Amino acid sequence: KQEVTQIPAALSVPEGENLVLNCSFTDSAIYNLQWFRQDPGKGLTSLLLIQSSQREQTSGRLNASLDKSSGRSTLYIAASQPGDSATYLCAKTPRNSGSRLTFGEGTQLTVNP
Amino acid sequence: DTGVSQDPRHKITKRGQNVTFRCDPISEHNRLYWYRQTLGQGPEFLTYFQNEAQLEKSRLLSDRFSAERPKGSFSTLEIQRTEQGDSAMYLCASSLAGGEEKLFFGSGTQLSVL
Repeated sequence: KQEVTQIPAALSVPEGENLVLNCSFTDSAIYNLQWFRQDPGKGLTSLLLIQSSQREQTSGRLNASLDKSSGRSTLYIAASQPGDSATYLCAKTPRNSGSRLTFGEGTQLTVNP
Repeated sequence: DTGVSQDPRHKITKRGQNVTFRCDPISEHNRLYWYRQTLGQGPEFLTYFQNEAQLEKSRLLSDRFSAERPKGSFSTLEIQRTEQGDSAMYLCASSLAGGEEKLFFGSGTQLSVL
């Protein structure tokens, strides 16, 4: 079973919409959960990091929440813009595996002008 | 620009050749990671270093793969006798141990094995 699952795999929305990306993970014994953005052919940019003791983090139009008991995290993007078009990846750091991140397969977001 | 540099950006090689990639992490970061990413997938962990010590290796890292971080600064990843299945983006990341463990990724090296 995939350790980290992201739904949906792809999402297309008109500019200005608020949207939610979902991430679910097995094993609630995590050290932290991170959300990344990846543009085509590029590396990853860290967006938000939620420690296991926290429930949410906010940065600008982005808000990420963490519910360890249900094994879920969501990334909320307010007032989406065409520049938000990218692939969004969530990754967990298991508590007992050093700093190894386990990634989901990502959600490819397209925001249409 | 995250401050993590990878070289080269692209590498095309023939099957059976050896290739080496370099990663320069953010200077004050003591942890360095290598990940591999294929199209449409999330990155997969390969190995990580704390200073010059290689602390963890994935089962994905076959005997043909070797990574070094000789002075605890830059790192190299070598693939010997490349195979077509090695074609992927190889990503390097760094972090500071003891903090929130936020990773900063480089732009990656795209390897194509013909």
